[in-house]
Amino acid sequence: EPEVTQTPSHQVTQMGQEVILRCVPISNHLYFYWYRQILGQKVEFLVSFYNNEISEKSEIFDDQFSVERPDGSNFTLKIRSTKLEDSAMYFCASRRSGRIHEQFFGPGTRLTVL
Amino acid sequence: GQQLNQSPQSMFIQEGEDVSMNCTSSSIFNTWLWYKQDPGEGPVLLIALYKAGELTSNGRLTAQFGITRKDSFLNISASIPSDVGIYFCAGAVGGSQGNLIFGKGTKLSVKP
Repeated sequence: EPEVTQTPSHQVTQMGQEVILRCVPISNHLYFYWYRQILGQKVEFLVSFYNNEISEKSEIFDDQFSVERPDGSNFTLKIRSTKLEDSAMYFCASRRSGRIHEQFFGPGTRLTVL
Repeated sequence: GQQLNQSPQSMFIQEGEDVSMNCTSSSIFNTWLWYKQDPGEGPVLLIALYKAGELTSNGRLTAQFGITRKDSFLNISASIPSDVGIYFCAGAVGGSQGNLIFGKGTKLSVKP
């Protein structure tokens, strides 16, 4: 069964460094999302992406964040200058057209900012 | 902003027992979804509900979309050890592009 994949599974970085989290959505899906989950807390929406542009973003998704679909398969989340409070699990999700909210999540990247 | 109140926060049950958890909000949602998350994994979609009053089953799982559109419940019948995990409700409002709002989760522990 097709699934969303994410790399790396764990990223450790120093505060102020840039990180890029990578996702490969399910191949026939057209809508892509990033969510984050701070340890022990609920999953929070960051951004949605369709047709090569951001369609919706949350207050968390400030100027330090950006997303890109650099080729036909990858979807990336970049954090320009990481802060301690960016430490969290970051989940990529994707969906096909139609069932707008049936999103399939990847296994996540655990980001640790030191 | 919109918030989902999920209860209970945690449950400790015996294998074979039935489980019920629910999610409420002061806001109306057009879609309710239930996800399960195992440790170190991403949420896995269990059931999606699209109409007020809708009752949907997926194996031993049954979920309902409340008539007021402000709540949903999930039942698990005859629990087994692999049901252990955190169950999240998520809601979406009309007009959004898929922005899911998640509850804080119900942690389920099953004693064999």
